[in-house]
Amino acid sequence: DAKTTQPTSMDCAEGRAANLPCNHSTISGNEYVYWYRQIHSQGPQYIIHGLKNNETNEMASLIITEDRKSSTLILPHATLRDTAVYYCIVRVRGGNTPLVFGKGTRLSVIA
Amino acid sequence: EPEVTQTPSHQVTQMGQEVILRCVPISNHLYFYWYRQILGQKVEFLVSFYNNEISEKSEIFDDQFSVERPDGSNFTLKIRSTKLEDSAMYFCASSVLLAGGYTDTQYFGPGTRLTVL
Repeated sequence: DAKTTQPTSMDCAEGRAANLPCNHSTISGNEYVYWYRQIHSQGPQYIIHGLKNNETNEMASLIITEDRKSSTLILPHATLRDTAVYYCIVRVRGGNTPLVFGKGTRLSVIA
Repeated sequence: EPEVTQTPSHQVTQMGQEVILRCVPISNHLYFYWYRQILGQKVEFLVSFYNNEISEKSEIFDDQFSVERPDGSNFTLKIRSTKLEDSAMYFCASSVLLAGGYTDTQYFGPGTRLTVL
């Protein structure tokens, strides 16, 4: 079973920041937080991952709390094309374990 | 940007028939995976593959399933005798092998929609 808890759905106005929360209270010290998204029925798309420091790339920012029990994925300027299901997954980076997907958060970006 | 490709995009087959789903992983990746997603359900892990061997498999991956890397570029999933409940999206993924034999981020292909009639 997935080790994360995410809201079922969220709405965001186009052009505004989308902040997607994730709880992972049982995360282990060597587990990273990974974010993927799935647009319609396409293959999951990797977004970003982090261990304890905040991370930023061209797609998003990842904010991890100091106790690492929760994180927030931030899409700084959401567009209609960001409408998707977003998955927060904890996994040992470098571990040979598969990804365990939960139900994710369905983000709807509204014009 | 390198990407995982899958063919066909849609496969329709009759129950009991064999199907082979094909994947071309990213060229410098050495660890390969198959996942599936039944309509409206979660993405589920099927199998991982490294060095021409299955590394790990789930309970879903029974004797009806097999995987193979027939050449230096393709990675295939075979379903020997398809059932109605095999209808799903099948996703291939690949990852780099890090020093020490561990895997990095998995990158997914666009998927094959399998419809069993």
